[in-house]
Amino acid sequence: QSVLTQPPSVSGAPGQRVTISCAGSSSDIGAGYDVHWYQRLPGTAPRLLIYANNNRPSGVPDRFSGSRSGTSASLAISGLQPEDEADYYCQSYDSSLSAYVFGTGTKVTVL
Amino acid sequence: EVQLVESGGGLVTPGGSLRLSCAASGFTFNSAWMNWVRQAPGKGLEWIGRIKSNFHGGTTDYAAPVRGRFSISRDDSKTRLYLQMNSLETDDTAVYYCVYSPSNSFDYWGQGTLVTVSS
Repeated sequence: QSVLTQPPSVSGAPGQRVTISCAGSSSDIGAGYDVHWYQRLPGTAPRLLIYANNNRPSGVPDRFSGSRSGTSASLAISGLQPEDEADYYCQSYDSSLSAYVFGTGTKVTVL
Repeated sequence: EVQLVESGGGLVTPGGSLRLSCAASGFTFNSAWMNWVRQAPGKGLEWIGRIKSNFHGGTTDYAAPVRGRFSISRDDSKTRLYLQMNSLETDDTAVYYCVYSPSNSFDYWGQGTLVTVSS
């Protein structure tokens, strides 16, 4: 049950900048809960990409960045690379559901 | 290196039961909070539930769709996490992931095990 809304797809040419939005509500992102982002490459398990809104785990290129404002968050990919073609999910916590929640997912296509 | 290896998936008929296992290594399992997350075919990620470390009471929390049917447990002596799934429904068909959360994000994922519920 996804309560965070993402665009189904975004695309861009190599080297371009793309952003993925994650819309929540007053019981999740708007309540101050951290937003995390995951990348799922085809045929692999999800990988933590951004944690606590805007922090990158070691090994994640600095072309990935995150931000949060109000009841929404966004992931930006600068200098898009062919290997960035994947599904991306945001995630937070919803106090009304007492559950961790994921976004609906966004497929990034590199043209 | 953190390693999480799930097993126990397979084909089960509706109403049946299945127990998944996750072998953990590379971190202090007895102090770890562990989760199960699933992904149905063509769908997004869905958190199923969590178990806290025994130091924090070993309590469990579940998502509404599985509450009362699924049960998470742990054996710290074997560094294993379990997911007991009862009264399985076709909508439970998914890849199930064992996830280690040292903070409030899902930092480390296993490779997943496929559960298919079909008659």
